Amino acid sequence: AQSVTQLGSHVSVSEGALVLLRCNYSSSVPPYLFWYVQYPNQGLQLLLKYTSAATLVKGINGFEAEFKKSETSFHLTKPSAHMSDAAEYFCAVTLKAAGNKLTFGGGTRVLVKP
Amino acid sequence: DTEVTQTPKHLVMGMTNKKSLKCEQHMGHRAMYWYKQKAKKPPELMFVYSYEKLSINESVPSRFSPECPNSSLLNLHLHALQPEDSALYLCASSHPGLETQYFGPGTRLLVL
Repeated sequence: AQSVTQLGSHVSVSEGALVLLRCNYSSSVPPYLFWYVQYPNQGLQLLLKYTSAATLVKGINGFEAEFKKSETSFHLTKPSAHMSDAAEYFCAVTLKAAGNKLTFGGGTRVLVKP
Repeated sequence: DTEVTQTPKHLVMGMTNKKSLKCEQHMGHRAMYWYKQKAKKPPELMFVYSYEKLSINESVPSRFSPECPNSSLLNLHLHALQPEDSALYLCASSHPGLETQYFGPGTRLLVL
C-alpha cells in the first residue's frame, strides 16, 4: 500500500525566507510523486512531479523538490518566499500497481509574513 | 491547454433534490476522476473512469451516481444527499496510467 506523510500542518515563513515543506512516502516499489498547490476556493494546480528520471525536480513559481530514496522523502523548497506563495500544499503519490489512484498527504498550509 | 472546467461553481440543494455536477476537458485525456474535499482536508478519491468505463469506485454511497457519456465529459448525479455531503467536489483528468492529473476549480456544494 502507498501512503504519504506531510510533517507540519502549518508553516509560517517571512517574505524572502526559505520555504521548506516536508513529505515522506511509504512504498515498497518506486513511486511517482507530485506536489500540488491549492489557493483559497480553487482547485489543485501541479507544481512539479517526480517520475524516476532526475532526482532534483524543478517546478513552477521557483519551487523544486529532491527525491531521496534512502530517506523516502520528497521535500519541497523555494529559496525566497513571496506573499503569493500563501496557500495549501499537498504531496501525493501513485504507484504502477495502484493504477490511476493518487494518494494525498494531509496538506501543509503556508502563511507568509511581510 | 491544460484546462478542466466544472459547472456549476456553487450549488445549494435540499435533501430531497436531484442535481448534477458537470466536468469537461478537451486535452484528449481518457481517464477522469471525481474527488470530494472537506474543509482543511486533502481530496478523497470517489470514482475513476478509464476509457469511459468505471474502473474504481471507492465504496461511495449510491446517492452519488457517476456517468461518463463520452471521453470529454464526466457527470456526477446527486440524489437524496445528506448535510455531511457538503464539500468541494473536484474533477480531474489525465492520460491513463501514471500520468499527471489536472484538476478543475471544483463545485462547492451545500446540502441543507
